[in-house]
Amino acid sequence: AQSVTQPDIHITVSEGASLELRCNYSYGATPYLFWYVQSPGQGLQLLLKYFSGDTLVQGIKGFEAEFKRSQSSFNLRKPSVHWSDAAEYFCAALFSGGYNKLIFGAGTRLAVHP
Amino acid sequence: SAVISQKPSRDICQRGTSLTIQCQVDSQVTMMFWYRQQPGQSLTLIATANQGSEATYESGFVIDKFPISRPNLTFSTLTVSNMSPEDSSIYLCSVGGQGQGTEAFFGQGTRLTVV
Repeated sequence: AQSVTQPDIHITVSEGASLELRCNYSYGATPYLFWYVQSPGQGLQLLLKYFSGDTLVQGIKGFEAEFKRSQSSFNLRKPSVHWSDAAEYFCAALFSGGYNKLIFGAGTRLAVHP
Repeated sequence: SAVISQKPSRDICQRGTSLTIQCQVDSQVTMMFWYRQQPGQSLTLIATANQGSEATYESGFVIDKFPISRPNLTFSTLTVSNMSPEDSSIYLCSVGGQGQGTEAFFGQGTRLTVV
């Protein structure tokens, strides 16, 4: 079955520290991959997306993600976290082959210590 | 990109009543999607709304509980019927993200509390 896994439910980092949020997908073919951020009381904002080509993609707010086919992963990274980055982060995948629906991971809640 | 307006942004409702959520998009789209996000959970697709046809519901969601209207290419409504506290969630409208590698855009969501 098609699925997206975010192993970390909660992550806490200090402001200025680096960040990596993990995302794995389960399916044979490479799906389209997305990272969304949801701030408290807000809708979802797209951070970045991977469709094909360069496996390192740059997004907004200084985020980047790297697609690794061998690991079925699409981890989100940021070299220096700001307090305003505290939010919920969702990895999502659009699987092809007839299903064609966006599937979300469980989300990772990021807390940032001053 | 697409700009999606949802209303109401939040509501507190009595159990047994119904609430209709509206979603307006700033451009014409073929499909609109309704998601539910239960407290502390991820997003679950409720249904896909196509203009001119009945909505397609995902497993676990039924039309009697979540009737959907799609009168034109820029507007849709989701009704949460006969509400119970278990329906307390954020309901989000979305467009895009289906095929052709397009990204999905989301409304701000409707935070529903049933008491």
